[in-house]
Amino acid sequence: GAVVSQHPSRVICKSGTSVKIECRSLDFQATTMFWYRQFPKQSLMLMATSNEGSKATYEQGVEKDKFLINHASLTLSTLTVTSAHPEDSSFYICSAEGGKGEDNYGYTFGSGTRLTVV
Amino acid sequence: QKEVEQNSGPLSVPEGAIASLNCTYSDRGSQSFFWYRQYSGKSPELIMSIYSNGDKEDGRFTAQLNKASQYVSLLIRDSQPSDSATYLCAVNVYTGRRALTFGSGTRLQVQP
Repeated sequence: GAVVSQHPSRVICKSGTSVKIECRSLDFQATTMFWYRQFPKQSLMLMATSNEGSKATYEQGVEKDKFLINHASLTLSTLTVTSAHPEDSSFYICSAEGGKGEDNYGYTFGSGTRLTVV
Repeated sequence: QKEVEQNSGPLSVPEGAIASLNCTYSDRGSQSFFWYRQYSGKSPELIMSIYSNGDKEDGRFTAQLNKASQYVSLLIRDSQPSDSATYLCAVNVYTGRRALTFGSGTRLQVQP
């Protein structure tokens, strides 16, 4: 089946630094990538939607200058958390929508990135 | 009113019993409905999708959709301790918006 590889799985960074999270669709084209954030004991909250080659659409309340999303190719999307602060500590998950040829794979989730800002 | 609502639980059932998980949604235009299972610290994994009114069965799992009542449910037969997880209901809430909107999840505990 479709696989989205997400890295890193865990990262600890110092307050004020930036962290990049990568999501790669393996063997299929991710025409759209969704980025979610999940705080402990809460559900997934959509942060932004990106289509290959165009600017991401951010949800209300999500700072586009803080959470930089790049979707330069049909197999790679990145989320960069800039000037991270402890309140950005969360579980970040990408979800790719796409397919291969005539097959539509629906939504495929990455394995998630646990970010801890100290 | 939340767009997708679930009882947070925990729902506790004995091993071998049927677990019934419920979800309601607010947008009548919603077309696609999904159930995901999420273990602690892990990413959600798809259990079932359902698009039409009625029941859809896959192994021990049955999804039920009633668009008139804006209600979708998941039944797990012969529950196993390994089914203990949080179950997330997800919906395409708005026409033209492809992102999924998730409920807050129901924590299921299957007692051995």
